[in-house]
Amino acid sequence: SQTIHQWPATLVQPVGSPLSLECTVEGTSNPNLYWYRQAAGRGLQLLFYSVGIGQISSEVPQNLSASRPQDRQFILSSKKLLLSDSGFYLCAWRRQGRDTGELFFGEGSRLTVL
Amino acid sequence: GQNIDQPTEMTATEGAIVQINCTYQTSGFNGLFWYQQHAGEAPTFLSYNVLDGLEEKGRFSSFLSRSKGYSYLLLKELQMKDSASYLCAVMDSNYQLIWGAGTKLIIKP
Repeated sequence: SQTIHQWPATLVQPVGSPLSLECTVEGTSNPNLYWYRQAAGRGLQLLFYSVGIGQISSEVPQNLSASRPQDRQFILSSKKLLLSDSGFYLCAWRRQGRDTGELFFGEGSRLTVL
Repeated sequence: GQNIDQPTEMTATEGAIVQINCTYQTSGFNGLFWYQQHAGEAPTFLSYNVLDGLEEKGRFSSFLSRSKGYSYLLLKELQMKDSASYLCAVMDSNYQLIWGAGTKLIIKP
Protein backbone atom coordinates (compact mmCIF):
# COMPACT_ATOMS: atom_id res chain seq x y z
CA SER A 1 0.00 0.00 0.00
CA GLN A 2 1.02 3.59 -0.54
CA THR A 3 2.07 5.88 2.29
CA ILE A 4 3.18 9.49 2.51
CA HIS A 5 5.14 11.05 5.34
CA GLN A 6 6.26 14.59 5.97
CA TRP A 7 8.35 16.11 8.72
CA PRO A 8 8.77 17.86 11.00
CA ALA A 9 5.21 17.93 12.34
CA THR A 10 5.70 21.18 14.22
CA LEU A 11 8.25 23.94 13.76
CA VAL A 12 8.78 27.29 15.48
CA GLN A 13 11.30 29.48 13.68
CA PRO A 14 12.48 33.09 14.01
CA VAL A 15 12.00 35.55 11.16
CA GLY A 16 14.92 35.39 8.75
CA SER A 17 15.87 31.80 9.54
CA PRO A 18 15.95 29.03 6.89
CA LEU A 19 13.33 26.33 6.42
CA SER A 20 13.35 22.77 5.16
CA LEU A 21 10.28 20.53 5.12
CA GLU A 22 10.61 17.04 3.71
CA CYS A 23 8.09 14.65 2.23
CA THR A 24 8.48 11.08 1.02
CA VAL A 25 6.06 8.71 -0.68
CA GLU A 26 6.31 4.92 -0.49
CA GLY A 27 4.64 2.17 -2.44
CA THR A 28 4.26 3.94 -5.76
CA SER A 29 6.51 5.23 -8.50
CA ASN A 30 6.57 8.45 -10.51
CA PRO A 31 3.83 10.18 -8.52
CA ASN A 32 2.69 13.77 -9.03
CA LEU A 33 3.77 15.64 -5.90
CA TYR A 34 2.33 18.80 -4.38
CA TRP A 35 3.04 21.33 -1.62
CA TYR A 36 0.04 23.22 -0.23
CA ARG A 37 -0.26 25.86 2.47
CA GLN A 38 -3.39 26.31 4.57
CA ALA A 39 -3.85 29.53 6.51
CA ALA A 40 -6.48 29.70 9.25
CA GLY A 41 -9.96 30.04 7.73
CA ARG A 42 -8.61 29.90 4.20
CA GLY A 43 -8.67 27.29 1.48
CA LEU A 44 -5.69 25.22 0.47
CA GLN A 45 -3.23 27.25 -1.56
CA LEU A 46 -1.12 25.32 -4.06
CA LEU A 47 2.52 26.36 -3.76
CA PHE A 48 4.41 23.91 -5.96
CA TYR A 49 3.80 20.75 -7.92
CA SER A 50 6.07 18.29 -9.66
CA VAL A 51 5.47 15.68 -12.35
CA GLY A 52 8.98 14.23 -12.24
CA ILE A 53 12.51 14.46 -10.82
CA GLY A 54 13.85 17.97 -11.12
CA GLN A 55 10.58 19.28 -12.59
CA ILE A 56 9.01 21.95 -10.39
CA SER A 57 6.11 24.26 -11.22
CA SER A 58 5.54 27.27 -8.99
CA GLU A 59 2.02 28.59 -8.58
CA VAL A 60 2.64 31.55 -6.29
CA PRO A 61 5.62 33.96 -6.33
CA GLN A 62 7.16 34.00 -2.85
CA ASN A 63 10.33 33.39 -0.90
CA LEU A 64 9.77 29.63 -0.88
CA SER A 65 11.30 27.06 -3.21
CA ALA A 66 10.83 23.35 -3.84
CA SER A 67 13.04 20.56 -5.07
CA ARG A 68 12.56 16.95 -6.09
CA PRO A 69 15.96 15.27 -5.85
CA GLN A 70 14.50 11.76 -6.04
CA ASP A 71 11.35 10.27 -7.55
CA ARG A 72 9.50 10.01 -4.24
CA GLN A 73 11.06 12.88 -2.31
CA PHE A 74 9.78 16.44 -2.28
CA ILE A 75 11.39 19.24 -0.28
CA LEU A 76 10.06 22.71 0.57
CA SER A 77 12.69 25.31 1.48
CA SER A 78 13.23 28.93 2.31
CA LYS A 79 16.45 30.87 2.84
CA LYS A 80 14.79 33.56 5.00
CA LEU A 81 11.39 33.07 6.59
CA LEU A 82 8.82 35.87 6.83
CA LEU A 83 6.06 36.21 9.42
CA SER A 84 3.55 35.60 6.62
CA ASP A 85 5.04 32.15 6.02
CA SER A 86 3.32 30.85 9.15
CA GLY A 87 0.71 28.22 8.38
CA PHE A 88 -0.08 24.55 7.97
CA TYR A 89 1.93 22.97 5.15
CA LEU A 90 0.67 19.85 3.44
CA CYS A 91 2.46 17.54 1.05
CA ALA A 92 0.28 15.44 -1.24
CA TRP A 93 0.61 12.94 -4.06
CA ARG A 94 -1.52 11.69 -6.92
CA ARG A 95 -0.98 8.91 -9.43
CA GLN A 96 0.51 9.93 -12.78
CA GLY A 97 -1.93 9.75 -15.65
CA ARG A 98 -4.86 9.87 -13.25
CA ASP A 99 -5.80 13.47 -13.73
CA THR A 100 -9.09 12.92 -12.01
CA GLY A 101 -7.65 10.84 -9.21
CA GLU A 102 -7.84 11.85 -5.59
CA LEU A 103 -5.03 13.51 -3.68
CA PHE A 104 -3.46 11.73 -0.72
CA PHE A 105 -2.08 14.03 1.95
CA GLY A 106 0.77 13.75 4.40
CA GLU A 107 0.24 14.45 8.08
CA GLY A 108 0.99 18.16 7.74
CA SER A 109 3.65 20.47 9.20
CA ARG A 110 2.62 23.41 11.34
CA LEU A 111 5.07 26.29 10.98
CA THR A 112 5.04 29.28 13.32
CA VAL A 113 7.35 32.15 12.43
CA LEU A 114 8.03 34.55 15.33
CA GLY B 1 -11.63 34.46 -11.64
CA GLN B 2 -12.20 31.06 -10.11
CA ASN B 3 -14.29 30.82 -6.99
CA ILE B 4 -15.59 28.16 -4.62
CA ASP B 5 -18.18 29.19 -2.02
CA GLN B 6 -19.28 27.20 1.00
CA PRO B 7 -20.64 28.27 4.39
CA THR B 8 -18.03 29.06 7.00
CA GLU B 9 -19.66 27.20 9.86
CA MET B 10 -22.68 25.00 10.54
CA THR B 11 -24.10 23.45 13.70
CA ALA B 12 -26.13 20.26 13.90
CA THR B 13 -27.36 17.80 16.51
CA GLU B 14 -26.10 14.27 17.03
CA GLY B 15 -28.28 11.80 15.14
CA ALA B 16 -29.65 14.41 12.76
CA ILE B 17 -28.99 15.13 9.07
CA VAL B 18 -26.99 18.06 7.71
CA GLN B 19 -26.42 19.33 4.17
CA ILE B 20 -23.31 21.33 3.32
CA ASN B 21 -23.57 23.30 0.10
CA CYS B 22 -20.85 24.27 -2.34
CA THR B 23 -21.18 26.55 -5.37
CA TYR B 24 -18.42 27.06 -7.86
CA GLN B 25 -17.31 29.17 -10.80
CA THR B 26 -14.25 27.73 -12.51
CA SER B 27 -12.56 27.71 -15.89
CA GLY B 28 -13.66 24.28 -16.98
CA PHE B 29 -14.77 21.34 -14.89
CA ASN B 30 -13.21 17.92 -14.48
CA GLY B 31 -14.87 16.79 -11.28
CA LEU B 32 -15.67 17.87 -7.75
CA PHE B 33 -14.17 16.46 -4.55
CA TRP B 34 -15.24 16.52 -0.92
CA TYR B 35 -12.65 16.09 1.82
CA GLN B 36 -12.99 15.85 5.59
CA GLN B 37 -10.40 17.55 7.79
CA HIS B 38 -10.29 17.18 11.56
CA ALA B 39 -8.64 20.01 13.47
CA GLY B 40 -4.86 19.89 13.18
CA GLU B 41 -4.91 16.97 10.76
CA ALA B 42 -4.60 16.47 7.02
CA PRO B 43 -7.67 16.27 4.76
CA THR B 44 -9.00 12.82 3.91
CA PHE B 45 -10.96 11.97 0.77
CA LEU B 46 -14.73 11.52 1.06
CA SER B 47 -16.23 11.61 -2.42
CA TYR B 48 -15.79 12.47 -6.08
CA ASN B 49 -18.52 13.56 -8.54
CA VAL B 50 -18.00 14.17 -12.23
CA LEU B 51 -21.51 13.42 -13.53
CA ASP B 52 -24.78 14.97 -12.37
CA GLY B 53 -26.60 13.14 -9.66
CA LEU B 54 -26.20 11.62 -6.26
CA GLU B 55 -23.34 9.40 -5.09
CA GLU B 56 -24.04 7.51 -1.87
CA LYS B 57 -21.39 6.07 0.38
CA GLY B 58 -22.69 4.86 3.71
CA ARG B 59 -23.84 7.76 5.88
CA PHE B 60 -22.38 10.27 3.42
CA SER B 61 -23.83 11.28 0.03
CA SER B 62 -22.67 13.88 -2.47
CA PHE B 63 -24.75 15.54 -5.16
CA LEU B 64 -23.67 17.44 -8.26
CA SER B 65 -25.44 19.72 -10.73
CA ARG B 66 -22.98 20.93 -13.35
CA SER B 67 -25.49 23.26 -15.02
CA LYS B 68 -26.01 25.07 -11.72
CA GLY B 69 -22.39 24.94 -10.57
CA TYR B 70 -23.62 23.37 -7.36
CA SER B 71 -22.86 20.45 -5.10
CA TYR B 72 -23.83 19.36 -1.62
CA LEU B 73 -22.55 16.87 0.90
CA LEU B 74 -25.24 15.16 2.95
CA LEU B 75 -24.33 13.59 6.28
CA LYS B 76 -26.90 11.33 7.94
CA GLU B 77 -27.12 9.93 11.47
CA LEU B 78 -24.58 12.44 12.67
CA GLN B 79 -22.01 11.29 15.18
CA MET B 80 -19.78 13.39 17.42
CA LYS B 81 -16.75 12.23 15.40
CA ASP B 82 -18.23 13.99 12.34
CA SER B 83 -17.24 17.32 13.91
CA ALA B 84 -14.67 18.53 11.40
CA SER B 85 -14.17 20.89 8.48
CA TYR B 86 -15.50 19.78 5.10
CA LEU B 87 -13.62 21.01 2.05
CA CYS B 88 -15.09 21.30 -1.43
CA ALA B 89 -12.63 21.30 -4.35
CA VAL B 90 -13.18 21.52 -8.10
CA MET B 91 -10.75 20.30 -10.75
CA ASP B 92 -10.49 22.89 -13.50
CA SER B 93 -9.69 22.56 -17.21
CA ASN B 94 -5.95 22.28 -16.37
CA TYR B 95 -6.65 19.44 -13.92
CA GLN B 96 -5.66 21.67 -11.01
CA LEU B 97 -7.74 21.62 -7.84
CA ILE B 98 -9.42 24.84 -6.74
CA TRP B 99 -10.29 24.68 -3.03
CA GLY B 100 -13.05 26.25 -1.00
CA ALA B 101 -12.21 27.64 2.44
CA GLY B 102 -14.05 24.79 4.12
CA THR B 103 -17.15 24.48 6.29
CA LYS B 104 -16.59 23.88 9.99
CA LEU B 105 -19.28 21.49 11.21
CA ILE B 106 -20.04 21.49 14.94
CA ILE B 107 -22.03 18.55 16.30
CA LYS B 108 -23.91 19.07 19.56
CA PRO B 109 -25.18 16.21 21.73
